[in-house]
Formats: sequence, C-alpha cells, structure tokens
Amino acid sequence: GAGVSQTPSNKVTEKGKYVELRCDPISGHTALYWYRQSLGQGPEFLIYFQGTGAADDSGLPNDRFFAVRPEGSVSTLKIQRTERGDSAVYLCASSTGTGYGYTFGSGTRLTVV
Amino acid sequence: AQSVSQHNHHVILSEAASLELGCNYSYGGTVNLFWYVQYPGQHLQLLLKYFSGDPLVKGIKGFEAEFIKSKFSFNLRKPSVQWSDTAEYFCAVNDQGQNFVFGPGTRLSVLP
Repeated sequence: GAGVSQTPSNKVTEKGKYVELRCDPISGHTALYWYRQSLGQGPEFLIYFQGTGAADDSGLPNDRFFAVRPEGSVSTLKIQRTERGDSAVYLCASSTGTGYGYTFGSGTRLTVV
Repeated sequence: AQSVSQHNHHVILSEAASLELGCNYSYGGTVNLFWYVQYPGQHLQLLLKYFSGDPLVKGIKGFEAEFIKSKFSFNLRKPSVQWSDTAEYFCAVNDQGQNFVFGPGTRLSVLP
C-alpha cells in the first residue's frame, strides 16, 4: 500500500485480556519496527524485524509481549494478560534499509481499563 | 546506551517568530540524526535527516537543522513559523544500526 497501515486505530480492553495489534508495512519494505509511545514521551523501541525474523527484541518489556511476522510482510504484536500500564499508542514503522528513516503508521491507541 | 534530550517541553510562539528547538544526544560513535514531526491527530513524519557531509541540513516546509559534532547537538530551526507548524517535534538518533532512540519531544504551539 501507499503507507503503513495499523489496525485497529483504537482498542479498549479490560485488564487481564489478550489483544492483537496489526501492522501492514509499505510493500517491499523488508524492515519492520514496533514502538510504544506513552503520553508525553517519545516513542520507545520494542522490536525490529528483518524479513520474517525478529532481529532485535530487546525492547519488549516482558514475556507478556510477543510479535510475529510469519511471511515477512504483515506483523502482529500480541499482548497477554494486559495491564493498565500497557495503555499507550503502539506505533509500527517500516523502512527499506539501515538508518534511512522510518515511515510510521498512524498507531493503535490501546487503553486498558 | 544512547540517549536523546530535548531542551524544551513546550514552546509557544507567535506567527512569523523564529524557531529553534534544541536536541542533544549522547553517543560516542558515528550517528545518523533525524527530526520527526507529529501534527495533532496524525502519525509521525520525517522532517529531515543527517547522515554525513554538510552539517546544515534542509528539510521540508522550510525547516533546517545543524549538526554540531563537538556539542553533540542537532538543533532544529525555522526562520518564520506558521500556525500550521503547531505540532510535537521529536529528535531521534540512530547509530547506523536498526534501532532509533527518540527524545521526549517538544510541543510547539504557534499562536495566530
């Protein structure tokens, strides 16, 4: 597509529930990134994919967070047993190569109540 | 570990005023530097980037930034702001790897 697409744009869930957030990167972009942006802060790195594999998942806060990209295109960020502190905007970005700057999606605003 | 600081949390200017937003980073090696802008209700967009060469970088919408290596700084400037520049501005650093480190952001409010 023309840009990075993220769905849903908003998600409200109850504490303890499981959620999935989807990212559809720009066609042909091999690198895909997930960031989390809390209110009043800059984006924080979560995980980076090169192709199908997670090349760097050092930003995932704990084992409740997991992400996949099975066919090297669409990625899903999965959060188990959600907590109120998980509430944030989850951003996806894709790029063509090393350090050239991302194209960001519009984000998914997750609210855990 | 890398870190990025932005001097101002919130800047308020009148239209036609000049803008300078500070950005400092901590990293001893070679870096790529970026400024992103996030307009209200929209996603992050790349304003400009520096990889090498001329330390004065020109971006979109009349923005420019100057890389001063000795000061570890990459300040964003615009000679005359417009109401439409109201947005959140993020400085980011990349150590030529895949991870970007973002600053906390500076909110710019331009009064008409």
